[in-house]
Amino acid sequence: QVQLVQSGAEVKKPGASVKVSCKASGYTFTSYDINWVRQATGQGLEWMGWMNPNSGNTGYAQKFQGRVTMTRNTSISTAYMELSSLRSEDTAVYYCARAEYSSSPADYWGQGTLVTVSS
Amino acid sequence: SYVLTQPPSVSVAPGKTARITCGGNNIGSKSVHWYQQKPGQAPVLVIYYDSDRPSGIPERFSGSNSGNTATLTISRVEAGDEADYYCQVWDSSSDPWVFGGGTKLTVL
Repeated sequence: QVQLVQSGAEVKKPGASVKVSCKASGYTFTSYDINWVRQATGQGLEWMGWMNPNSGNTGYAQKFQGRVTMTRNTSISTAYMELSSLRSEDTAVYYCARAEYSSSPADYWGQGTLVTVSS
Repeated sequence: SYVLTQPPSVSVAPGKTARITCGGNNIGSKSVHWYQQKPGQAPVLVIYYDSDRPSGIPERFSGSNSGNTATLTISRVEAGDEADYYCQVWDSSSDPWVFGGGTKLTVL
């Protein structure tokens, strides 16, 4: 069965960086885009960007341009999202989600990773 | 950038029909996906491409999309349907994935 398993919760200080992993199983990793979506406590879903695991091509939301980097390691079917220059407003649950194409729905989601930014 | 507008909350009695709207400029020309999110859980796809249902989603869930409004309809509402619901579209003119603000469905 398809699974996206994310890394565990992180606590970071303002100005630091965080790298969240998303390990895929149950399907061909390079056949589906990985999108990253975050959700602050009590707030809605916010799209951060996408990555094509086959080509490594990426696209980032304007809000995160220059602060986010999405990468992958195809040998272990794992995608990564790194967010730098963290501030308190970045405290949120970060989700990876699979989609066949840019316009496709996200049919499988990771369980989420809580990132807390606090001094 | 493209904006999707959802009502913050919808309330419905058990067994009745809930309708959750998602407004956007000419949204009828786009494909709309709907997600259900229960507290502490990741979102789950319940409707895709306006009106298709993934396997495992009850037939009580249906969708439509026309003009400036897309609608998620939940028939014969059950207590277990209580959740937040988000609409989402792909937009080529700005950040590709756009989410609505979410609607909290309360089962009375």
